[in-house]
Amino acid sequence: DAGITQSPRHKVTETGTPVTLRCHQTENHRYMYWYRQDPGHGLRLIHYSYGVKDTDKGEVSDGYSVSRSKTEDFLLTLESATSSQTSVYFCAIMEGETQYFGPGTRLLVL
Amino acid sequence: SQKIEQNSEALNIQEGKTATLTCNYTNYSPAYLQWYRQDPGRGPVFLLLIRENEKEKRKERLKVTFDTTLKQSLFHITASQPADSATYLCALDILNTDKLIFGTGTRLQVFP
Repeated sequence: DAGITQSPRHKVTETGTPVTLRCHQTENHRYMYWYRQDPGHGLRLIHYSYGVKDTDKGEVSDGYSVSRSKTEDFLLTLESATSSQTSVYFCAIMEGETQYFGPGTRLLVL
Repeated sequence: SQKIEQNSEALNIQEGKTATLTCNYTNYSPAYLQWYRQDPGRGPVFLLLIRENEKEKRKERLKVTFDTTLKQSLFHITASQPADSATYLCALDILNTDKLIFGTGTRLQVFP
C-alpha cells in the first residue's frame, strides 16, 4: 500500500459544514494527489502537490482546497460541503511513473 | 482535451478463458499507458505499464498491447480465475506533467 493512510475512512456530514480529509504517507514521496471517484466518471483529479507548499488544481477543483505543510501530509478541505461532493475520495502518491493509492474515504453529504 | 474510453458494460467470462479488455483514447499521443486493478471498496492497484515504443508487455498471465496508430490498448488475462474478478482501469500520462488521466474502468466477472 506504499505506506499511504487516509482518515477518516467514512464520514457523514451536513450540507454547508466544512470537512477536512487527511492523507498521510511514510515514504517521503514528493508527488501527492487527491481524486474523487463517482459512478460513470471514474477517477477525476481534484488537486495535486509536487512538494511542500506546492500545489496545483486538477480538473474538478471547484469547492475544494488543499494544503501541504509537511511532506508526509496532504489535506483536502471542502470549505462548505454540498451534496454533489458525496463521493469516494482517494489519495495517491507517484513513484516513478506509477501511482499508488490509499484505501479511500467514503463521504456522504446530507 | 484527452479522452479515454473503456467499455462500461461488464465483461462476463468463464473460468479458464482469456479475458480481453479494451482502452481507446483520442486527441492525444501518450508516452505510456498503464493498467490498474480495483477491487470493491479499495483503491486502484498498479498492474502494468507499457511505453509508446513497446508493442506488447507481459507479466505472468497478463498481457498488454499498445497500438499508437489505432490509439488503443488491449489488456488480456489468460487462464482467467474467479479471483481475477475486479474492475480494470487504464490510465494515460498527461504530456509534460506528473499527472495521469484515468478511464472509467471495465468490470470483469469470471464465473467458475
